[in-house]
Amino acid sequence: GEDVEQSLFLSVREGDSSVINCTYTDSSSTYLYWYKQEPGAGLQLLTYIFSNMDMKQDQRLTVLLNKKDKHLSLRIADTQTGDSAIYFCAESRMDSNYQLIWGAGTKLIIKP
Amino acid sequence: NAGVTQTPKFRVLKTGQSMTLLCAQDMNHEYMYWYRQDPGMGLRLIHYSVGEGTTAKGEVPDGYNVSRLKKQNFLLGLESAAPSQTSVYFCASRSTGVNSPLHFGNGTRLTVT
Repeated sequence: GEDVEQSLFLSVREGDSSVINCTYTDSSSTYLYWYKQEPGAGLQLLTYIFSNMDMKQDQRLTVLLNKKDKHLSLRIADTQTGDSAIYFCAESRMDSNYQLIWGAGTKLIIKP
Repeated sequence: NAGVTQTPKFRVLKTGQSMTLLCAQDMNHEYMYWYRQDPGMGLRLIHYSVGEGTTAKGEVPDGYNVSRLKKQNFLLGLESAAPSQTSVYFCASRSTGVNSPLHFGNGTRLTVT
């Protein structure tokens, strides 16, 4: 199948860590991406990981890739109210001319 | 440096009416894309272009046409709007590198009644 799957919602308390998960199906994926969409805006690239890596860290963000299980996660440490957004997982496939295949997006809700 | 600009931001059409959505980018990007975003679904690619004068069909091209007469502009046309085309439309562009990121506009919210 072609699906990239994500849970639609995640609720966390301010200050806790958020972990957003994504599964994909195609082993020809080259890059995997996380995009962030704030209300009323377009998507912005948050981070990405090459398929031969298993981890990437960038300040409060940690991306983990389990290629065997085709599982990607995004961890946001010390979640803040400004992190409220929809987070999209996307994969770039060599056999699709590097067109991105998108998940449905996970809405991150921050509780005070 | 405006990035990717979409116009209009909002539009309401009656069934059967036509309209054109405009996308302009000032980053000299070769590749441009039109997506639609619907609740509970990921972005779906409508049409794309890999350079001036070229267009190609994406995942959901039916009912839409596009043109790329100038490198900086990518137009999306609806010839006869249908309620199923009610959606938020996003334009994006990127340079030619394999891992070059997509730059998105802020979207056009279209309602067809």
